Amino acid sequence: SQTIHQWPATLVQPVGSPLSLECTVEGTSNPNLYWYRQAAGRGLQLLFYSVGIGQISSEVPQNLSASRPQDRQFILSSKKLLLSDSGFYLCASGRVPGTQYFGPGTRLLVL
Amino acid sequence: AQTVTQSQPEMSVQEAETVTLSCTYDTSENNYYLFWYKQPPSRQMILVIRQEAYKQQNATENRFSVNFQKAAKSFSLKISDSQLGDTAMYFCAFMKPGGGGADGLTFGKGTHLIIQP
Repeated sequence: SQTIHQWPATLVQPVGSPLSLECTVEGTSNPNLYWYRQAAGRGLQLLFYSVGIGQISSEVPQNLSASRPQDRQFILSSKKLLLSDSGFYLCASGRVPGTQYFGPGTRLLVL
Repeated sequence: AQTVTQSQPEMSVQEAETVTLSCTYDTSENNYYLFWYKQPPSRQMILVIRQEAYKQQNATENRFSVNFQKAAKSFSLKISDSQLGDTAMYFCAFMKPGGGGADGLTFGKGTHLIIQP
């Protein structure tokens, strides 16, 4: 079975600072990878997905970007954080059609 | 676009009781997947159960089972013999296999389930 790692677990950043969240996957190859955001008290919203190295698709316009430099590495970035970027960010990996497994998440607080 | 609706923001039952969480969805697709995910206080999203729309038989995983009504676009989760560890947020999710990776999950807003001792 696959294991998904995310770091950092928690991050507090000032408005206007850059961001880099990392997700790595073990136990599978060539997975589809996803970034979701969960605002307080709400469900998850898909931000980005990737079907392969260097292939990124965005679901919603925003202040964030994503990159996939290696097969099992997925990075979420921002050049300048906004207050509205605060939330809980989850990375997910999907190999079997119809099933996605999630990492432990990163809590981001922008002050 | 697909939508997923969970009409119960919070539910509370006694330990060992059976509880049913409701979920409805809206789609024009014929082939899709439905899921229930559990999010305990740790906030780790854990897959509870999955259902393929083309299968008429309801999925079952130990104490968890679903009632999938395709025509009514309803997908409820039944938890039997509830345990304290079942306390969590439960999210219903929809996925349309799009190929090329366009198969992100659409989530409902969740139901907070509390199991009382």
